[in-house]
Amino acid sequence: SQQGEEDPQALSIQEGENATMNCSYKTSINNLQWYRQNSGRGLVHLILIRSNEREKHSGRLRVTLDTSKKSSSLLITASRAADTASYFCATASNSGYSTLTFGKGTMLLVSP
Amino acid sequence: KAGVTQTPRYLIKTRGQQVTLSCSPISGHRSVSWYQQTPGQGLQFLFEYFSETQRNKGNFPGRFSGRQFSNSRSEMNVSTLELGDSALYLCASSLGGGHNGETQYFGPGTRLLVL
Repeated sequence: SQQGEEDPQALSIQEGENATMNCSYKTSINNLQWYRQNSGRGLVHLILIRSNEREKHSGRLRVTLDTSKKSSSLLITASRAADTASYFCATASNSGYSTLTFGKGTMLLVSP
Repeated sequence: KAGVTQTPRYLIKTRGQQVTLSCSPISGHRSVSWYQQTPGQGLQFLFEYFSETQRNKGNFPGRFSGRQFSNSRSEMNVSTLELGDSALYLCASSLGGGHNGETQYFGPGTRLLVL
C-alpha cells in the first residue's frame, strides 16, 4: 500500500523556473527520502531528511518536512531540461528495516 | 564502486511459466530489497534480505519468492506467471546495518512482460 501521496501528479514548467512537489504520508516515520527516476530506469537517491529535521538543502534541491502535518515538499530551483523525470517520496518507519514505502510520484517535464 | 546490477534487463515469458531475476548489490552492502513497479500500483515492496535471511516481506502472494547468497547477491523467483506480473522489477541495496530506512541504491531494473 502507498504511504506517500505526491502532488501534483504531473508538472510542466520552462527551463529556469522552480518546481515544487509535495508529498503527504499517513503514519509516523523515521525519515523521508526523495528519489528521481528517468523514464523506466532505476531510481536515484536525491536527499534524505530525518524526522527531527525541518529543512535540508543539496545543490539546487530544498526539502522541507512538517511531521505535524505529515507532509514534505521538494523544491528544485532553476530547473533544467535534464531534470525531466519522475520524482518519488519514500518514507521509512521505525521498524528497524531498510524498507521504504513509496508514493506514486510526480512527473516533471522541463521544456527548453 | 560498481553500482547495483540486475540481469536480465528484459524478459518475455508466457503465462504459467516461471522466472528468476538476479541482483548483485554494491560491494559491502548486505541488504537487498526488491520492488515491483507497475503503472497502476506504483512501486511496491516485495521483500528484503539481509545476511541470507528474509528480514521483511511485502503483501505479495507466495508465488513470489527470493533468496540471498553468502556474497549478498540475491535472486527473486516468480512461479506460475500471470499477466498482471508484467512490471519493472527493481532491486536495491543498502548497508543493512539495521538502521531505519537507510538510503537505498537501485539497479536499472528488469522489465518483465508476460504474454
